[in-house]
Amino acid sequence: EPEVTQTPSHQVTQMGQEVILRCVPISNHLYFYWYRQILGQKVEFLVSFYNNEISEKSEIFDDQFSVERPDGSNFTLKIRSTKLEDSAMYFCASSESLALLPKNIQYFGAGTRLSVL
Amino acid sequence: DAKTTQPPSMDCAEGRAANLPCNHSTISGNEYVYWYRQIHSQGPQYIIHGLKNNETNEMASLIITEDRKSSTLILPHATLRDTAVYYCIVRAAGNKLTFGGGTRVLVKP
Repeated sequence: EPEVTQTPSHQVTQMGQEVILRCVPISNHLYFYWYRQILGQKVEFLVSFYNNEISEKSEIFDDQFSVERPDGSNFTLKIRSTKLEDSAMYFCASSESLALLPKNIQYFGAGTRLSVL
Repeated sequence: DAKTTQPPSMDCAEGRAANLPCNHSTISGNEYVYWYRQIHSQGPQYIIHGLKNNETNEMASLIITEDRKSSTLILPHATLRDTAVYYCIVRAAGNKLTFGGGTRVLVKP
C-alpha cells in the first residue's frame, strides 16, 4: 500500500540552527500538507501546498517556516532558526485531490520528532 | 468547519465492539464527518468518512444520525492494537483537518 515517507524519524538540533524535514508524498498525490503536534497537545495544521504554491497557512507558519517541492518526489519543511518551542512531532500528509471524495482524503506519514536543545 | 465534541476517554474489552460517539450539532450541509486515529504519537491514520448515509469498510462502521448532528464510530471486534486516540473531524471538502482532543480508547484484555 502506498504511504507517505518522512525522514529523519528524529532530528536533534541546537537552538538557532536551520533544519529541513523531508517528506515523500504518495506518488500520484498533488496536495501536500504539514501538521505539527507538540507533546501532549493537539495536532495542528501548518500549511498546505499545491502546484508549487502555498494554498493556506496557519498563524503558526510564520517567516521562520518555508516549504518547497525541490524535485518531483520530495516535499520539505524548513525552519530557518529553530526555537525551543519548535520542538514537536511534524507530520507530512498528502492527498490526490482537494475536493473530490474519496480522493481528498489526507494520508499521513509517521512523523519526524524535532528536538531543539 | 463545525466543532465536534467527544468523550475524553473510554475503555473497551478486547473482542467486544467499541462504540465511539461524536457530537457535531452545528454541522452544515456540505460538511463530511471523518474519523482518524493516532496510535502512540504515530501519524494520524484515516479510518472512514461519511456524509449522511451509514458507511462500512474493513476497519470500522460509521453511523450518522438522520439529523446529522451526531455520529458513532463502531469498531466491531476491538483488539489491543486498536488502543489509540480517535478523532472525529467535521470538514467541508478541500479544507484543512482540524483536530480536537479526540477520545483516548484503551482496549483491555
